[in-house]
Amino acid sequence: SQQGEEDPQALSIQEGENATMNCSYKTSINNLQWYRQNSGRGLVHLILIRSNEREKHSGRLRVTLDTSKKSSSLLITASRAADTASYFCATDRMNTGFQKLVFGTGTRLLVSP
Amino acid sequence: EAQVTQNPRYLITVTGKKLTVTCSQNMNHEYMSWYRQDPGLGLRQIYYSMNVEVTDKGDVPEGYKVSRKEKRNFPLILESPSPNQTSLYFCASSPGPYNEQFFGPGTRLTVL
Repeated sequence: SQQGEEDPQALSIQEGENATMNCSYKTSINNLQWYRQNSGRGLVHLILIRSNEREKHSGRLRVTLDTSKKSSSLLITASRAADTASYFCATDRMNTGFQKLVFGTGTRLLVSP
Repeated sequence: EAQVTQNPRYLITVTGKKLTVTCSQNMNHEYMSWYRQDPGLGLRQIYYSMNVEVTDKGDVPEGYKVSRKEKRNFPLILESPSPNQTSLYFCASSPGPYNEQFFGPGTRLTVL
């Protein structure tokens, strides 16, 4: 069952512009993670934000979390062609012991030179 | 280099022919998982393991088996593959619950 849903499904921007992707989820979580996947390759972890945090930064990445709305956003500033990839949010379900991470279907980002 | 490795990377097989996809990690992680990725469905968890000899079903376990006899290895077994198991498979490991996961490079499986 899908827990996270990303929006938009696809995003096309020019280099230098900012890219914003959103994730909505359904049940209470311990934390929310964002991953990047280059075409057909393994996922790479970008950032983890805990349920008691509201905002987190890592380089050009900024993630926000609103637990009251059950939503998160990933902002990539000053995008580069190398940022072209699919981006996934992943949520775990509280009180299920092991991290049963559930991934959304992803946002495909295309950054044109 | 800290990594998760999977073998084979590509496999074409026929219906009913048993196969195993191996997964190994060198980070001494306790937690390991298998996922499949299909267009429009994202990643779905097949099985996971919290430690040696401790495994449990994910969201789509039907048709798959796993074992965890050693901490570093977590093979995925398809006893009788069917065409609906054609997919891209990822193994992942994690140092603990609710931590980031480290993914392998993926295994693209085609079942004819």
